[in-house]
Amino acid sequence: AQKITQTQPGMFVQEKEAVTLDCTYDTSDPSYGLFWYKQPSSGEMIFLIYQGSYDQQNATEGRYSLNFQKARKSANLVISASQLGDSAMYFCAMREAMTTDSWGKLQFGAGTQVVVTP
Amino acid sequence: DSGVTQTPKHLITATGQRVTLRCSPRSGDLSVYWYQQSLDQGLQFLIQYYNGEERAKGNILERFSAQQFPDLHSELNLSSLELGDSALYFCASSPTGTYTEAFFGQGTRLTVV
Repeated sequence: AQKITQTQPGMFVQEKEAVTLDCTYDTSDPSYGLFWYKQPSSGEMIFLIYQGSYDQQNATEGRYSLNFQKARKSANLVISASQLGDSAMYFCAMREAMTTDSWGKLQFGAGTQVVVTP
Repeated sequence: DSGVTQTPKHLITATGQRVTLRCSPRSGDLSVYWYQQSLDQGLQFLIQYYNGEERAKGNILERFSAQQFPDLHSELNLSSLELGDSALYFCASSPTGTYTEAFFGQGTRLTVV
């Protein structure tokens, strides 16, 4: 079963505008972590932001913020003041609690392609 | 620079061959994860090592194997290669299995012809 769902395959956003990338997740573990990664066309995976399931506040890192709605199992990424360099594929991922089966591995969504236009 | 080093960056090889991908984790990180990114399967977890021991296994084919050495670098061995094994292979590292950030290497792009 799909654990991470990103419903937006692609988005266009104008420079300097804000954009919200959707991510919903499915888990029965009370302890989990949610991550966002950026993958530019060059291919590397760049860590952006982390939100823990017990964190009371929404995570922020510079122009990135995570809108965490635990009851809805949603962890949307907000990029404020978009720049041309933000054009990339963005992945949402989840790490569940430690078990023998899933000790630390990340499960990824399908990704959202963002294109920032001038 | 994530601090995770993967070599080689690109690899082109023929079907039926065997290749070895190498990963050096960030200094101090004991855990290494291997992921495969392909167009049809997306990003899939393959295997994890922690301080030299295998800790978790994902969708890793029997033709693939990995190990982590005493100096904590890891190698992913892919044998009897098929066209469908063409993909971007990533290594990531973290201090333990419970982490708040995991950094990826630049990946090895494998093309099987």
